[in-house]
Amino acid sequence: QLQLQESGPGLVKPSETLSLTCTVSGASTSNSSYYWGWIRQPPGKGLEWIGSIHYSGSTSYSGSTPYSGDTYYNPSLRSRVTISVDTSRNQFSLKLSSVTAADTAVYYCASRIRWFDPWGQGTLVTVSS
Amino acid sequence: ETVLTQSPDTLSLSPGERATLSCRASQSLGTHLAWYQQKPGQAPRLLIYDAYNRATGIPARFSGSGSGTDFTLTISSLEPEDFAVYYCQQRSNWNTFGQGTRLEIK
Repeated sequence: QLQLQESGPGLVKPSETLSLTCTVSGASTSNSSYYWGWIRQPPGKGLEWIGSIHYSGSTSYSGSTPYSGDTYYNPSLRSRVTISVDTSRNQFSLKLSSVTAADTAVYYCASRIRWFDPWGQGTLVTVSS
Repeated sequence: ETVLTQSPDTLSLSPGERATLSCRASQSLGTHLAWYQQKPGQAPRLLIYDAYNRATGIPARFSGSGSGTDFTLTISSLEPEDFAVYYCQQRSNWNTFGQGTRLEIK
């Protein structure tokens, strides 16, 4: 059964970089059938897609460093977002730079073949000094 | 960006009643639309994909319809556990979600 679990700091200072990791079990992040995505939800508000990554099995990727090819980012966040996959750890990660209070949200990771299913339980990240 | 507008924002009904939720897209999606259910403190759960297909384990009282720009989620007879927030999502033009419809007990 495919399961995902987010991890990372719950508090980030303004202007710093938010970093989260999603650990996948029940499937391999190197499986090219899957896309791996991040979605966030500010407290009391709706859902916002942050971005997705697809590991296509590039022969040039050695696995010694995170893979960041085949990424798709929300245009409104693109300048601040990096998503990568670490196939050796079966994880994928989110980095969001120059955060402000507006980035305070529950951050979800999710798998996607064509639709987001399943989702991780989510982790609250608060941006505050 | 494809904007999804859900209506109503809040729907107040009683158990046993029929619920009809709407999602309208700013451009045609074909059938590239899904519905999710979110309960307090939980992650969203996929209910309907490709406009009308039920996800694994979803009860038959949930059904989806529509294509193009107008879509509907129908719950034929509300159970107590159905009161939640429902979101539509499209994947034709990047990924966007509607603002959600809160289904509350009357």
